[in-house]
Amino acid sequence: AQRVTQPEKLLSVFKGAPVELKCNYSYSGSPELFWYVQYSRQRLQLLLRHISRESIKGFTADLNKGETSFHLKKPFAQEEDSAMYYCALRPLASGGYQKVTFGTGTKLQVIP
Amino acid sequence: DGGITQSPKYLFRKEGQNVTLSCEQNLNHDAMYWYRQDPGQGLRLIYYSQIVNDFQKGDIAEGYSVSREKKESFPLTVTSAQKNPTAFYLCASSMGTSITDTQYFGPGTRLTVL
Repeated sequence: AQRVTQPEKLLSVFKGAPVELKCNYSYSGSPELFWYVQYSRQRLQLLLRHISRESIKGFTADLNKGETSFHLKKPFAQEEDSAMYYCALRPLASGGYQKVTFGTGTKLQVIP
Repeated sequence: DGGITQSPKYLFRKEGQNVTLSCEQNLNHDAMYWYRQDPGQGLRLIYYSQIVNDFQKGDIAEGYSVSREKKESFPLTVTSAQKNPTAFYLCASSMGTSITDTQYFGPGTRLTVL
């Protein structure tokens, strides 16, 4: 079974401060990890994924297999970063559909 | 935004009634999904379809039914057997189901049972 845990329901930071949204996972095999974001009145969309090794809107996330974590980080928060963020996991396995498991989400509030 | 549409945006239903939520995509995607989103619980998979005329149960399929008669359409019926149907429902689609395929989400339908 796979599980994704986001321990913070709400994270409030001041504009310009660093941001770290925590994500821990439980899965016995090799995972692919994602971060999805939902801005106010917009649909859920993919922010970044581990396999792409990319930085989107200044956000990065590093997969730490030892700590089973995939925390989302940004050095300087901006007001437009305020949104709901979901961490998700999908098994890296061949053969058939591999279900995506989502965390419960963290609301990021950037204070001006 | 385009590609995946869900209707209606808000839906009210009386207890004991079945209701169907619409999901349409014009992205030529093979795979489509239905999720339920509840406060504090994230997204939970209800049903998914990898290809037209085929669909599989997700984690919480009880009280729901789907059909996939056309590639672009994946309607979800919430039946009277669903014990707690009030929720936000999200439809998604992806080109396929390989690891590189990204899921694209619709705007959602908020269902309220009165």
